[in-house]
Amino acid sequence: AQSVTQLGSHVSVSEGALVLLRCNYSSSVPPYLFWYVQYPNQGLQLLLKYTTGATLVKGINGFEAEFKKSETSFHLTKPSAHMSDAAEYFCAVSEVSGTYKYIFGTGTRLKVLA
Amino acid sequence: EAGVAQSPRYKIIEKRQSVAFWCNPISGHATLYWYQQILGQGPKLLIQFQNNGVVDDSQLPKDRFSAERLKGVDSTLKIQPAKLEDSAVYLCASSLLGQANNEQFFGPGTRLTVL
Repeated sequence: AQSVTQLGSHVSVSEGALVLLRCNYSSSVPPYLFWYVQYPNQGLQLLLKYTTGATLVKGINGFEAEFKKSETSFHLTKPSAHMSDAAEYFCAVSEVSGTYKYIFGTGTRLKVLA
Repeated sequence: EAGVAQSPRYKIIEKRQSVAFWCNPISGHATLYWYQQILGQGPKLLIQFQNNGVVDDSQLPKDRFSAERLKGVDSTLKIQPAKLEDSAVYLCASSLLGQANNEQFFGPGTRLTVL
């Protein structure tokens, strides 16, 4: 069965610093990969996704992620953190056959320090 | 474009009571999902509908949970009777066709507290 591991349930960065949130997946077949953001008391919003093609994916709000098949990773980065980036971030994989259901990681809560 | 609507936003009940949640997906979206998000965990799929048929309910505790999607639009999720461990946020999501690269759009969720 597929699984998703997000290293670090809590990450703190200073405003203006690099944001790096880690995501690794386990799958013999490269799945489709997603990053979602969840602000307090809101639903999840898609940041970016990788399906096929270019392995460096750009998303909304200045975020990007790189799919590395050899490392089974899909880490999320942003060059300069902003206070408004404080939220919870979820990595998810989708099966590429069958029901295409999502498997979510446990999430990483990002705190941005002034 | 209106998003996914859910109600109620908050619900507090005592164990062994029943509760129902309602979801209205984005217009035209064929696939509807119900997720359970326990505090500190990622969302877990409970049930997936394609139009009004069930595609996947392998993680739905069928002895107490039920869901329906009449006419392939709105959906309700019911818990009867509720247990303490059912305390969670219940998220509804929808997507256009339910394919792997389709984005899922999430509602704001219903926060259930079982006392």
